[in-house]
Amino acid sequence: SSELTQDPAVSVALGQTVRITCQGDSLRSYYASWYQQKPGQAPVLVIYGKNNRPSGIPDRFSGSSSGNTASLTITGAQAEDEADYYCNSRDSSGNHLGVFGGGTKLTVL
Amino acid sequence: EVQLVESGGGLVKPGGSLRLSCAASGFTFSSYSMNWVRQAPGKGLEWVSSISSSSSYIYYADSVKGRFTISRDNAKNSLYLQMNSLRAEDTAVYYCARASSGWYRLYYYYYMDVWGKGTTVTVSS
Repeated sequence: SSELTQDPAVSVALGQTVRITCQGDSLRSYYASWYQQKPGQAPVLVIYGKNNRPSGIPDRFSGSSSGNTASLTITGAQAEDEADYYCNSRDSSGNHLGVFGGGTKLTVL
Repeated sequence: EVQLVESGGGLVKPGGSLRLSCAASGFTFSSYSMNWVRQAPGKGLEWVSSISSSSSYIYYADSVKGRFTISRDNAKNSLYLQMNSLRAEDTAVYYCARASSGWYRLYYYYYMDVWGKGTTVTVSS
């Protein structure tokens, strides 16, 4: 079982705002990173650190964190944002083991 | 162009071995930690192993500890994953990924910003 918990599925109307959350004890000490994965493709980093976007990631993607919960927000969701989203951090044991959330399938209606 | 290319996947019988390789180009490979991440068919991402830039720190998921060995050759800009005692549940696409980490305001950050396209490992009799 994953130490990071995500909702399995979320939907959003085109152009609206959606928040995808990730919960876990390790998030009290570690920033989550977020990855977008489309079918048949490798994951792509979309948010890392406090709220940083790699070059090429649209500014409609943002990240935040509070307590044991990290959030990925898409403001003005586009059809091309439909994908699986995974959060990642280190585990809560302090042993520097990596852990992914179970993933959230985002549907843009 | 920054690039990672995995190779070495294939079909192997349970109990068999396989060695995956990941060739890096377009960046200073020796400056980065590296990871292996896998994805079983229809499932989510699973972190497998990580290795620091100088191989000083190596970590494994419990699911592969004792069976898999991660290594790197900075002179050849290459990352490896030696997989022994393979099981059906090791069937997956295996990705290598470049990592960066550090501290910001008492929080540790770790992220994987460059990924290869993956290589498929199938364990079946």
